[in-house]
Parts: sequence; C-alpha cells; structure tokens
Amino acid sequence: QSALTQPASVSGSPGQSITISCTGTSSDIGTFDYVSWYQQHPDKAPKLILYDVSTRPSGVSSRFSGSKSGNAASLTISGLQAEDEADYYCRSFTSSNTLVFGGGTKLTVL
Amino acid sequence: EVQLVESGGGLVQPGGSLRLSCAASGFTFSSYWMTWVRQAPGKGLEWVANIKEDGSQKYYVDSVKGRFTVSRDNAKNSLYLQMNSLRAEDTAVYYCARGRYSSTYWGQGTLVTVSS
Repeated sequence: QSALTQPASVSGSPGQSITISCTGTSSDIGTFDYVSWYQQHPDKAPKLILYDVSTRPSGVSSRFSGSKSGNAASLTISGLQAEDEADYYCRSFTSSNTLVFGGGTKLTVL
Repeated sequence: EVQLVESGGGLVQPGGSLRLSCAASGFTFSSYWMTWVRQAPGKGLEWVANIKEDGSQKYYVDSVKGRFTVSRDNAKNSLYLQMNSLRAEDTAVYYCARGRYSSTYWGQGTLVTVSS
C-alpha cells in the first residue's frame, strides 16, 4: 500500500495552465479507472474535483481536467486563478480493494 | 442537503481506545459505501478504512489492521470507527466521507491526539 507519487509543489501565474502528475503501479492506476482528485484549502475538508479519471462533479469548473496513461494520471488546471492555490491529492482504487492517496501537491499561484 | 458530522475525537494516552462516530443526513445512508480518511498534522491525506452499504465488506489500510474496526448502523444513519491500541502516529484529523471509489461529501473532521 505505497502512496502514489506526486510532485511536492508546482506553481504558475494567473491565466497559465499547470499539470500535476500522479504515478502509481499496475496494481492501482494501471488497472483501474477509479482515479479521483481532491482540492484542499488550509484547515478545510477536501473537495472532490474529478472522479473516474476525468469526470467533473456538478459545480466544478471546466478549468479542471484529468487524464490517465499507463500507471500514471494527471490533473490539469487551465486559466489559473488565485483561488486555485491549495493542496491537491490524487487517489486510486487498488487490487487489494483498498484505496491509496498520493502524497499531495502544493499549488502556488504566483 | 448532505451532511456528515464526526464526533468522538479527543486526547488519549498511547495504548488507549477511542470510538469515533459520523452522523449522516440528507441522503439514503444505507445505499452508500462509507469511508474514513485521516490527516496527521501538517501531512497528507491517508485512506483508513471503508465499509459496504450493508456492512458485509470492510477494508483497512495495513497500519490499522487488527487495531481499528469500522462499523455502521443504518437504522441510526451512523458510521463508526473503533480505535484500539492507539499509537502516537495515529494522531490526526479523522474525516468520514461518502462513497467507495470517490468521495463526494466529507465531514468537517474530528481531531484525535494520542499522547501521554
């Protein structure tokens, strides 16, 4: 049950696009399309922004998009805005019927 | 409106026990898998356990197997986490969340501190 691998931090300027990677194994991301992404602002509960790799829940901006290739998934945020500054976590279902999070990525909007 | 409200956190000594509760409202509780996730101070999210709609399947992260037990009472729309043999590394905010593969709704969390 090793954590998925995410970059510790990414940054971008308002209006730019950024991509956060999430690398797993053939026992999780590589086999299942149950990858979800969460946004967490300081001292707040996480918020679901993508599920099943690329599906946005109702109310989530279309600026958030997701994809998967092999054992890796990615989250892209286009048209960066100040309020996007937060921590982002990926999560995947595993072949052990458990779930595993990535270590988290801190997004800084310059 | 979907609401999840955790309770039961607090300060406990190493080796002690604590039972967390999560009161659910605004949806048909018995129709959803439920999940516990924790976050140690200043650290990332960690999936802890989940339980099937009828309680017949339960899964745990390796670090809590044999010490934590997840359960639910569908008649009371409540989810529980019984935590025994607590260790310092169990110190965290514990969230309950709805769903198995993804978690659309989360509670506000309850803080568990394991310290002497």
